[in-house]
Amino acid sequence: DAEITQSPRHKITETGRQVTLACHQTWNHNNMFWYRQDLGHGLRLIHYSYGVHDTNKGEVSDGYSVSRSNTEDLPLTLESAASSQTSVYFCASSEKGKQYFGPGTRLTVT
Amino acid sequence: AQSVTQPDIHITVSEGASLELRCNYSYGATPYLFWYVQSPGQGLQLLLKYFSGDTLVQGIKGFEAEFKRSQSSFNLRKPSVHWSDAAEYFCAVVPMNRDDKIIFGKGTRLHILP
Repeated sequence: DAEITQSPRHKITETGRQVTLACHQTWNHNNMFWYRQDLGHGLRLIHYSYGVHDTNKGEVSDGYSVSRSNTEDLPLTLESAASSQTSVYFCASSEKGKQYFGPGTRLTVT
Repeated sequence: AQSVTQPDIHITVSEGASLELRCNYSYGATPYLFWYVQSPGQGLQLLLKYFSGDTLVQGIKGFEAEFKRSQSSFNLRKPSVHWSDAAEYFCAVVPMNRDDKIIFGKGTRLHILP
């Protein structure tokens, strides 16, 4: 069955470190998204991509970057992790209005 | 500004009572509309969606939602809640012609009294 996976599921890192969160989907969807979830804010869009080599900034993109070298993967990189980036991160892919979410990655920046 | 509003941060109902969770959106054209549920420590589960057609939408777990264009609302309802319905509920929209970019409300936490 097609699916969307995220790794790692849990990550603890130190302030200033570079961190990359992986997202992989097997639906062959062109559209992929990264969200962060924080108490009181719901899910907020970080970055998104509509296809290979396409990337776009979302609502809360500062301090994050993405790259899309193939259809299946959209890794999210925190260039220099900050405590404010402690959150749960969800990846999603979509087609024709229906989004499929990954299980989430809980990131703690100490 | 374009937004999705869930006016209730927390709602508490007794088990067996009816439930209505409110959602309003402010987009020019009718967007795609969704309700998701998230249990503690879990991912998101789609309850139901509205794209077009019948404005009363049936979802999983006994939930339904009604789209009211005149009120820009998409409220979620359940006639009789169960303790297992305690969770956080998110309303979400995909604005038309925005290539599936989904915008979430801030969520409503549902508490169930025994």
